[in-house]
Amino acid sequence: AQSVTQLGSHVSVSEGALVLLRCNYSSSVPPYLFWYVQYPNQGLQLLLKYTSAATLVKGINGFEAEFKKSETSFHLTKPSAHMSDAAEYFCAASGSARQLTFGSGTQLTVLP
Amino acid sequence: GAGVSQSPSNKVTEKGKDVELRCDPISGHTALYWYRQSLGQGLEFLIYFQGNSAPDKSGLPSDRFSAERTGGSVSTLTIQRTQQEDSAVYLCASSTTSVSGANVLTFGAGSRLTVL
Repeated sequence: AQSVTQLGSHVSVSEGALVLLRCNYSSSVPPYLFWYVQYPNQGLQLLLKYTSAATLVKGINGFEAEFKKSETSFHLTKPSAHMSDAAEYFCAASGSARQLTFGSGTQLTVLP
Repeated sequence: GAGVSQSPSNKVTEKGKDVELRCDPISGHTALYWYRQSLGQGLEFLIYFQGNSAPDKSGLPSDRFSAERTGGSVSTLTIQRTQQEDSAVYLCASSTTSVSGANVLTFGAGSRLTVL
């Protein structure tokens, strides 16, 4: 069974600083990997997904993530944080059609 | 519709009462999922419907929870004899035909359930 670990339930960065949100997955077979973002009182929206086509995946709003098989990681980055990036971010993995396994989420705060 | 619609957006109920939460997926999406999001925790898978196949109920936490999907479209999640630990946001998502794990889920805004 898949498991997804997100290190750091809360991350604070200054506006303009690098954003790094960590995600590790547990699987003997590289799964499909996703990052979703949830703004207050809204549903989750897809930021990006990895489906084995390329290890560096670019998503919306300037975010990208790199799949590293040797580290079983799929960390999310953005070079320069914007106030509008404040939200909760979820990493998820899927190895089958039936369900997505989500991490516990990381709340990103952007300080002015 | 344009997105996944869930109702009610907020529900406050007394312990022991039954509640029904509704999900209207995107037209044409054959896969439908229910997840539960509790405070400070990730999303917990509850149930998955794919077309006319038998649903995957492996995530339902107890027999007080049930769900149905009528006509391959609207789904209702029912919680009987609610308990305070059932308080959470219940999220519904849908996707196109799910034949692999690469499908992108479109989520509704959720139904926030508070059990007093």
